[in-house]
Amino acid sequence: TQLLEQSPQFLSIQEGENLTVYCNSSSVFSSLQWYRQEPGEGPVLLVTVVTGGEVKKLKRLTFQFGDARKDSSLHITAAQPGDTGLYLCAGAGKYNNNDMRFGAGTRLTVKP
Amino acid sequence: NAGVMQNPRHLVRRRGQEARLRCSPMKGHSHVYWYRQLPEEGLKFMVYLQKENIIDESGMPKERFSAEFPKEGPSILRIQQVVRGDSAAYFCASSPRTGTGDGYTFGSGTRLTVV
Repeated sequence: TQLLEQSPQFLSIQEGENLTVYCNSSSVFSSLQWYRQEPGEGPVLLVTVVTGGEVKKLKRLTFQFGDARKDSSLHITAAQPGDTGLYLCAGAGKYNNNDMRFGAGTRLTVKP
Repeated sequence: NAGVMQNPRHLVRRRGQEARLRCSPMKGHSHVYWYRQLPEEGLKFMVYLQKENIIDESGMPKERFSAEFPKEGPSILRIQQVVRGDSAAYFCASSPRTGTGDGYTFGSGTRLTVV
């Protein structure tokens, strides 16, 4: 079983602050994805990273895949209340690139 | 252009009854995955199916739980003789056949409450 550990588990910040959340594993992944989940809904894919050292930007969100493809980080600049949600990372498992296993998530609250 | 459809959205069952959760994948997707989520927790993998085949059921309890994805119709997650501990949100996701690693499309989930 490939375990993904996410930290911190909970994060509460004020609007306008910056933050970084982490996703770590002892396993190498062929790809890693970040999802955001809002209460009462299913997770929604934010980004997929494939290449070690890759950096992807999505407006105020910056995603980085570690050189060894074992870890990833998500940095949010100038957080807004609309960023509130559960951020999940998922790594491709043993059967193919679509067999994804999820971390427990970071629950982010951005206060106005 | 419907996404992944799950029904019902909410399901209440008494202890000992059966729960049937349905998932219709996106059009053209032949891989289906079921996950369980408890309040304030992440997603726990249960089972991965392709049409008429169970690929990986390592996350599914050995007893009372079963899943299928028939040639025609939705995927079904079946829980027999439900207990209070089965109360959770159950999410289904689907992905395309080609396995490009483009990620999953999730349904909105079924929230099962066992009373």
